[in-house]
Amino acid sequence: GENVEQHPSTLSVQEGDSAVIKCTYSDSASNYFPWYKQELGKRPQLIIDIRSNVGEKKDQRIAVTLNKTAKHFSLHITETQPEDSAVYFCAAGKAAGNKLTFGGGTRVLVKP
Amino acid sequence: DAGVIQSPRHEVTEMGQEVTLRCKPISGHNSLFWYRQTMMRGLELLIYFNNNVPIDDSGMPEDRFSAKMPNASFSTLKIQPSEPRDSAVYFCASRKQGSWDTIYFGEGSWLTVV
Repeated sequence: GENVEQHPSTLSVQEGDSAVIKCTYSDSASNYFPWYKQELGKRPQLIIDIRSNVGEKKDQRIAVTLNKTAKHFSLHITETQPEDSAVYFCAAGKAAGNKLTFGGGTRVLVKP
Repeated sequence: DAGVIQSPRHEVTEMGQEVTLRCKPISGHNSLFWYRQTMMRGLELLIYFNNNVPIDDSGMPEDRFSAKMPNASFSTLKIQPSEPRDSAVYFCASRKQGSWDTIYFGEGSWLTVV
């Protein structure tokens, strides 16, 4: 089955700096890679996703990149703000399938 | 759409008692997932259903846990008997099978077993 590794487990950045979270996956058949943000006491919510037919996707201050050959994908947050503080999860799966396998999460703290 | 609806939101129960968590998936979604989240183990998939049929229950920790989906709009996760180590947040999530759409989570059921 799929295995997703996520690094780092914690990340502390100064407000305004960039944050980068990296994930690797094991199943080369995976073609769908969402990222979730979970605020304290809340549910995980999708913030951005990428499909295997593109290498990069951007939405305002958030961008994701995908390297299918190396089987890794990354989340980039630019100009971080205190409200970006949360736990971020990457996931991998197949659009034609069902199961998403989640990484272990990255706790991001943005210091004002 | 109301999203994935879970109940109860919070439950405190004594060790040995039966706990039943309930979930209503998003209308039109035919895949349903039960996840457990703890600080130690993160987000774990316990079981998932396609079209009301259990597909993979390899994440269910032991026989004390059972899940059912009697119809497309309702699922339960039962723990009997409950133990303190079952204390966690239990998320139900749903997805439309075969689409590029993602998994949508409910608000979670916060379980404390004392």
